[in-house]
Amino acid sequence: NAGVTQTPKFQVLKTGQSMTLQCAQDMNHEYMSWYRQDPGMGLRLIHYSVGAGITDQGEVPNGYNVSRSTTEDFPLRLLSAAPSQTSVYFCASRSRSDTQYFGPGTRLTVL
Amino acid sequence: GQQVMQIPQYQHVQEGEDFTTYCNSSTTLSNIQWYKQRPGGHPVFLIQLVKSGEVKKQKRLTFQFGEAKKNSSLHITATQTTDVGTYFCAGGDNQGGKLIFGQGTELSVKP
Repeated sequence: NAGVTQTPKFQVLKTGQSMTLQCAQDMNHEYMSWYRQDPGMGLRLIHYSVGAGITDQGEVPNGYNVSRSTTEDFPLRLLSAAPSQTSVYFCASRSRSDTQYFGPGTRLTVL
Repeated sequence: GQQVMQIPQYQHVQEGEDFTTYCNSSTTLSNIQWYKQRPGGHPVFLIQLVKSGEVKKQKRLTFQFGEAKKNSSLHITATQTTDVGTYFCAGGDNQGGKLIFGQGTELSVKP
């Protein structure tokens, strides 16, 4: 099992550009989540999904879109990148009441 | 909305000293999970507590879940340099979808 995979590992964007952060898991987990991590702020929940076709907002959803068309994939879209979105992004997956597994992260810089 | 506060933000100890981090939620939790993140890495699951008043041990680590299921603590006895990292608590809501993280406690251990 590859676990949770994220691409790319690093990305530099200019303000206003759009991009999609990819996340995939091969553990057949129902729940998937996106977090951003900033110094001193811990991990803040952006969006999450409890199954294919179902998504919901977390603590800091503005500026981000998600979709969950399959169990395996949960991409995160930035429609118009802003410097405030410079962060490390982690995707995670879990079964309903089980261990949450994190991907290796994507380090995003918006200039 | 649900908020999870964690203190202290930083803790510097001499090797062999004990360490404790505390977690408080603004709402009653269905469960609480603890994670450890090494510098440059991703969070790694340590344990989950579900029952009111539950206490679990993993070698030198002791985890507690409060009677009201709104607070938790992680205690490390006789710290070692391998304990260095940031420890996060994460509270699950009663709908089971969201997992909200505290800000984390960064532990440094001086040999």
